[in-house]
Amino acid sequence: NAGVMQNPRHLVRRRGQEARLRCSPMKGHSHVYWYRQLPEEGLKFMVYLQKENIIDESGMPKERFSAEFPKEGPSILRIQQVVRGDSAAYFCASSPGGRDNQPQHFGDGTRLSIL
Amino acid sequence: GNSVTQMEGPVTLSEEAFLTINCTYTATGYPSLFWYVQYPGEGLQLLLKATKADDKGSNKGFEATYRKETTSFHLEKGSVQVSDSAVYFCALSSAGGTSYGKLTFGQGTILTVHP
Repeated sequence: NAGVMQNPRHLVRRRGQEARLRCSPMKGHSHVYWYRQLPEEGLKFMVYLQKENIIDESGMPKERFSAEFPKEGPSILRIQQVVRGDSAAYFCASSPGGRDNQPQHFGDGTRLSIL
Repeated sequence: GNSVTQMEGPVTLSEEAFLTINCTYTATGYPSLFWYVQYPGEGLQLLLKATKADDKGSNKGFEATYRKETTSFHLEKGSVQVSDSAVYFCALSSAGGTSYGKLTFGQGTILTVHP
């Protein structure tokens, strides 16, 4: 399967712990987007990365959240000191180039639950 | 800024009924428009797209026409099936500037089709 791979599918954390979400883009794609889906809401853009660079993080909370896309390996979305409000589904999407007319391909998401 | 408004759901139909899900948008310039579908527990799948005014996107019996004059991209299907039950998202991607292809989503419309 050459699709976008996200893991884990489900992640449970207690308040104050760290959550790490991983995303491997489709083969040949070097552009990664992260979106968050809160219950009963649509997806909201968080961050856009290319290999080794954060291009646009305008949708990411200023504190506790960070993202990276290293030269080797998957993109990582990291949430430190999680709180109940972080409970959501986090989706990663990839595209071959950051252009508006190129559809993004989505992974199945990571469902984060905070106890 | 960009925004997408979808008709509120949920929408419940009988098999073989006609489907319309309304979508209107606000954006600067000439965005590309997309419909994505999300089945339970899965990520989003691209259903169809249109990249310029009067384009018609179509796939699996679904159609949507990019109407610049009414800033709309309504989704239609002539005869729905039980397997079409899912959540449908309208989205746009703005060209140029610092958008880099990031998507702005509507809130989603839940469709349930009964036999």
